[in-house]
Amino acid sequence: AQKITQTQPGMFVQEKEAVTLDCTYDTSDQSYGLFWYKQPSSGEMIFLIYQGSYDEQNATEGRYSLNFQKARKSANLVISASQLGDSAMYFCAMREGSVGGGSYIPTFGRGTSLIVHP
Amino acid sequence: NAGVTQTPKFQVLKTGQSMTLQCAQDMNHEYMSWYRQDPGMGLRLIHYSVGAGITDQGEVPNGYNVSRSTTEDFPLRLLSAAPSQTSVYFCASSYSGGTRYGYTFGSGTRLTVV
Repeated sequence: AQKITQTQPGMFVQEKEAVTLDCTYDTSDQSYGLFWYKQPSSGEMIFLIYQGSYDEQNATEGRYSLNFQKARKSANLVISASQLGDSAMYFCAMREGSVGGGSYIPTFGRGTSLIVHP
Repeated sequence: NAGVTQTPKFQVLKTGQSMTLQCAQDMNHEYMSWYRQDPGMGLRLIHYSVGAGITDQGEVPNGYNVSRSTTEDFPLRLLSAAPSQTSVYFCASSYSGGTRYGYTFGSGTRLTVV
């Protein structure tokens, strides 16, 4: 079974609008971390934001915020005021501890392709 | 501060050949890992290491070997290349088991096996 599920293969958004990219996860660990990465067409992996399972507040980094709903096991990325440069692949990832059978090394979802229209 | 350096950036191999993908980091990171990225599959973990002398298998380890003799280096060896190993390979590192600073990725190696 997949540990990280990203159900949106592709998303389109108008420039300056907000967009939400979905991510659900599966773990039995109490201590885990969730990441979002951006991969532009140039191919590099860019770290965007992190949410720890014990963090009480949703993480925010500039225009990026992570909507963390622990009971629903979801960690959606919200990009506010989209820009043309936001067009890229976005990957959700989770690292677990040993209780969940993890290794502290992230497991990635299959990604969502975001296209921002002018 | 170079971060994570992967070499080569591109490589073409013939079926059955062997080669080593190099990964080096200068951040004194304990955790290092290798992923492969294939279209529609995201990044899949091949092997990882939580410190010098310690390695373990990930999701797709077959056909690959690793070793970690120093903190800085984590090479990935393809023993006998197969067309199914055509992929983009990423090396990543982190100071500890995943923190708010994320994992730092190298720029990737695009490998084609013919």
